[in-house]
Amino acid sequence: GAVVSQHPSRVICKSGTSVKIECRSLDFQATTMFWYRQFPKKSLMLMATSNEGSKATYEQGVEKDKFLINHASLTLSTLTVTSAHPEDSSFYICSARRPLLAGVGNEQFFGPGTRLTVL
Amino acid sequence: AQSVTQLGSHVSVSEGALVLLRCNYSSSVPPYLFWYVQYPNQGLQLLLKYTTGATLVKGINGFEAEFKKSETSFHLTKPSAHMSDAAEYFCAVSGADSWGKFQFGAGTQVVVTP
Repeated sequence: GAVVSQHPSRVICKSGTSVKIECRSLDFQATTMFWYRQFPKKSLMLMATSNEGSKATYEQGVEKDKFLINHASLTLSTLTVTSAHPEDSSFYICSARRPLLAGVGNEQFFGPGTRLTVL
Repeated sequence: AQSVTQLGSHVSVSEGALVLLRCNYSSSVPPYLFWYVQYPNQGLQLLLKYTTGATLVKGINGFEAEFKKSETSFHLTKPSAHMSDAAEYFCAVSGADSWGKFQFGAGTQVVVTP
């Protein structure tokens, strides 16, 4: 089946630094990827839609200058948390949409997540 | 716009007993409905989904769910709980016009007791 990877799986950084998280679709091309954030013992909140070759679309309340998204290729989207602060600590999960294939239909695949801890 | 409500943040079941997790949705367009399971510090695994066609959907690990439009529900069931079913379960909705853009419920933590 289709696989989506994220790197790194865990990252610890100091307050004020920037952190980049990668999301890759390993065996299919994803024109659209999504970034979610999950607080401890909470549900997933959609942050933004990442479209290959164009600007990301952010959900209401998500700071686009804080969470920079780049979808430079059909298999890679990156989320950069700029000037990270302890309140940015969270579990970040990406998902990738495999384009419509005849007889298969759209499928959505989630990455394993990245645990960010900001000290 | 879509939203999901999961009734019960915690459910405790005995091993071998019925598992029932409730999910109600609202959607302004025909909904696509999903159930995902999450184990600690891991991503999401798809259990099952409803898009079109048969309203009773069978998924992995013995789970099934029934789409009831009149009740705007998509409850998840499993006839006999197994210890390995202990996890967090999320119901999610997406519109046909916004595939992949999910709204998730708050989640239900399932505990299985011997």
